[in-house]
Amino acid sequence: GNSVTQMEGPVTLSEEAFLTINCTYTATGYPSLFWYVQYPGEGLQLLLKATKADDKGSNKGFEATYRKETTSFHLEKGSVQVSDSAVYFCALLLYSGAGSYQLTFGKGTKLSVIP
Amino acid sequence: EPEVTQTPSHQVTQMGQEVILRCVPISNHLYFYWYRQILGQKVEFLVSFYNNEISEKSEIFDDQFSVERPDGSNFTLKIRSTKLEDSAMYFCASSGTSEGMRNEQFFGPGTRLTVL
Repeated sequence: GNSVTQMEGPVTLSEEAFLTINCTYTATGYPSLFWYVQYPGEGLQLLLKATKADDKGSNKGFEATYRKETTSFHLEKGSVQVSDSAVYFCALLLYSGAGSYQLTFGKGTKLSVIP
Repeated sequence: EPEVTQTPSHQVTQMGQEVILRCVPISNHLYFYWYRQILGQKVEFLVSFYNNEISEKSEIFDDQFSVERPDGSNFTLKIRSTKLEDSAMYFCASSGTSEGMRNEQFFGPGTRLTVL
C-alpha cells in the first residue's frame, strides 16, 4: 500500500534557525508530493507541491525537492519565524480510479518557533 | 479567495446518535472528499465523490457512513449511529475539473466531532 513517514515532533527551534522536516514515502505508482500546513485553529493549507522527480516546490521560504531515488520529500527553510509555528503534513497523491485522486498523509510534525 | 467552509466547527453527541457534518466546497469544483484525523494520528481518507456518486471509499467508510450532495452547494457526511471511536476531526476537501486542478485538493477548517 501507500504510506508516508515523517519525523516525529514536536520540533522546537529558535527564530532564524534552519528547519528540516524529513519525509519519506512508499507508493504503488508515481505520486505527486505535497506539504500541507495547519496553523492553530485552522484547516489544512497547501504549502508546496512537486509532481515529478527532481521538481522543487517552494513557497514562503520553504522548499522541498522530489527525490525519486531516495523516495523522499524533505521540507527545509533557511530561517524560521515565530509565525511558522504550525503542524506540517507531508502527503502523496495518487490516482485511484474513476477520476478520484486520494491523498495519503504522514502523521504531522508540530513546529514551535520561539523568539 | 474562494475557500471550503464547514459547519459546525465542533459537534458533541451521545453514542448511538446520528450526526450530519456539512461542507460547502469551492463553487466551481466537482470532486469532493472527506478525510478524518483521530487525535494524535494521521489524516485518513474516507471517501471521494463525483457526479453524484461515490468514486472511492476506504475501509473506514462502512455502512454507518453516507455522503450526499443535497443541493448545488452543500456536501454532507452522515454518521448514522455514532461510536466513541468516531471522535475525530473531519475535513472536507474539493478539487477542480481540469487535469492539473484535480491534483490539488483544497481543505476546509474541519469539524471536531466528540462522541460521549
